[in-house]
Amino acid sequence: AQSVTQLGSHVSVSEGALVLLRCNYSSSVPPYLFWYVQYPNQGLQLLLKYTTGATLVKGINGFEAEFKKSETSFHLTKPSAHMSDAAEYFCAVSKGGSYIPTFGRGTSLIVHP
Amino acid sequence: NAGVTQTPKFRVLKTGQSMTLLCAQDMNHEYMYWYRQDPGMGLRLIHYSVGEGTTAKGEVPDGYNVSRLKKQNFLLGLESAAPSQTSVYFCASSWRGGSSYNEQFFGPGTRLTVL
Repeated sequence: AQSVTQLGSHVSVSEGALVLLRCNYSSSVPPYLFWYVQYPNQGLQLLLKYTTGATLVKGINGFEAEFKKSETSFHLTKPSAHMSDAAEYFCAVSKGGSYIPTFGRGTSLIVHP
Repeated sequence: NAGVTQTPKFRVLKTGQSMTLLCAQDMNHEYMYWYRQDPGMGLRLIHYSVGEGTTAKGEVPDGYNVSRLKKQNFLLGLESAAPSQTSVYFCASSWRGGSSYNEQFFGPGTRLTVL
């Protein structure tokens, strides 16, 4: 069985500050890992994904995430927050051959001017 | 490409009424999913389909039925709506394996209120 834990249901940062959203997973096999973003009143869209290869993954809008197998983590970061980054962020994990991903409960990113 | 579309966008029902939510995708995806999103609960899988004519139960299937008569469409039905089914419903689709690694594409959602 696989599971995803997102630490913090809400994260608040100032504009220009570092964004760090935490995701830890459990999986019995090497996982595929995803971050999705949901802007207000919209569906989810893929931000970035890790499948194989390079453990530092770059996504859209300046976000990146690093797969750390020893820590079973896939934290999302952005060096400088922008007001437009305010959204709900979901971490998800699936294992090879599985078409049913497991989602975390989401983290709401609040950006203060 | 329109991607994944959902109809309707909003709906208000009275307890006991029935309705059908329609999801359509134009990406020739094999897999389709229905989720509900509630505050603090994240996304919960209701039903899913791995191909035309097939459906399977997800995490929270009670009170819902689905059909996948055409590859591009996935219908979610509520036979007798209850206030507990007030939620935002999302449809998603994905490729079967390959280079997609199960990346999902989501529709814009249907906001349902049951009074």
